[in-house]
Amino acid sequence: DAKTTQPPSMDCAEGRAANLPCNHSTISGNEYVYWYRQIHSQGPQYIIHGLKNNETNEMASLIITEDRKSSTLILPHATLRDTAVYYCIVMDTGRRALTFGSGTRLQVQP
Amino acid sequence: DAGVIQSPRHEVTEMGQEVTLRCKPISGHNSLFWYRQTMMRGLELLIYFNNNVPIDDSGMPEDRFSAKMPNASFSTLKIQPSEPRDSAVYFCASSFLTGSYNQPQHFGDGTRLSIL
Repeated sequence: DAKTTQPPSMDCAEGRAANLPCNHSTISGNEYVYWYRQIHSQGPQYIIHGLKNNETNEMASLIITEDRKSSTLILPHATLRDTAVYYCIVMDTGRRALTFGSGTRLQVQP
Repeated sequence: DAGVIQSPRHEVTEMGQEVTLRCKPISGHNSLFWYRQTMMRGLELLIYFNNNVPIDDSGMPEDRFSAKMPNASFSTLKIQPSEPRDSAVYFCASSFLTGSYNQPQHFGDGTRLSIL
């Protein structure tokens, strides 16, 4: 699986959009980008995933650049409950298990 | 809908004792994963099953660890004998995997294991 690079930490004001970047410059054509988050002492929670098109669901939006070498997870209106570690994972369909990196610790400030 | 259910939520035991962690995956899912999380190593895969068959156990630390999945609705992770370095949070996850597509994994709330 391609390696991902994320900033170790970010802050965001409550009510504002949180934009979390992820670099995956070695991604290959059949690898998906997955985002999970882990709120303190809970299990990781699936957020969203995509291959090449931008995706949106009730939790977030995923913007993937045209060359697919980077992506951004957008939480449109961050709340205090969005404070968590966010993991960007690249995985192809032949690999079944997730490989977690260090993630980005997002702190939403009141 | 019931999510992935793990038990116990917390376990404290003495070194040398046998520890058994339990997991009930989401109904209809055909794959089950065991992960371990520590401060030093982060979240790492121990083993995963597909259709109750172990597929990849390369992450199992050593022979003291064993995992079974006797049926589609139950799995155990056993440590015997336990050691202090096994102290961690153990997560179970389940998913539905096909030949060409991986549905996202859903995680339980974990078992926090402390070996004294």
